[in-house]
Amino acid sequence: EVQLVQSGAEVKKPGESLRISCRVSGYSFINYWIGWVRQMPGKGLEWMGIVYPGDSDGRYSPSFQGQVTMSVDRSINTAYLQWRSLQASDTAMYYCARQYCGGGSCVLEFWGQGTSVTVSS
Amino acid sequence: DIQLTQSPFSLSASVGDRVTITCRASQNIDNYLNWYQQKPGRAPKLLIYAASSLQSGVPSRFRGSGSGTEFTLTISRLQPEDLATYYCQKSYNVPYTFGQGTKLEIK
Repeated sequence: EVQLVQSGAEVKKPGESLRISCRVSGYSFINYWIGWVRQMPGKGLEWMGIVYPGDSDGRYSPSFQGQVTMSVDRSINTAYLQWRSLQASDTAMYYCARQYCGGGSCVLEFWGQGTSVTVSS
Repeated sequence: DIQLTQSPFSLSASVGDRVTITCRASQNIDNYLNWYQQKPGRAPKLLIYAASSLQSGVPSRFRGSGSGTEFTLTISRLQPEDLATYYCQKSYNVPYTFGQGTKLEIK
């Protein structure tokens, strides 16, 4: 069974750093891109980017390029999303998802449960 | 970047109704369009991929159509459990942007 399990809720202060995780199981981690999606409170889904665990290749949305870093640890089948200096506007739910590409179409097929990040002084 | 615009922003319908949600792309994206359902407090769920292919396990009352710049998601015979927000997403090229969402309420 494919599973993506995300780390728990975080409460941070502006300027602090943070890394959240997405641990996968039930499939070969290195063979599928992992996507990250932001959902600010009461708002819609925002595609942040994808990372390929096989070689750590990352593709970022222009809106998030330079704001966050996606990474992986192949030894523990885990993907990460990292901030160097959080801002209040980073308060949101963050989802990871496994991306499947077939027939030229790519979809976010399996999702984690989400990690809530609250940034407040 | 290619933008996706969904309409309506929200709608209210009765059980048994037929509901249609539209997603328009600012440029041709062929059939590289997916639909997701997000129920309150839950992670999104894939419904339709490649504009019209039904994801395994999704009820057949959900149907996707369209190509190029205009796409529709149709729910025939609306059920109470269809209360959710629906998002389109393009997978033509990176970034794989989402539409702004359509909130469906059950009367």
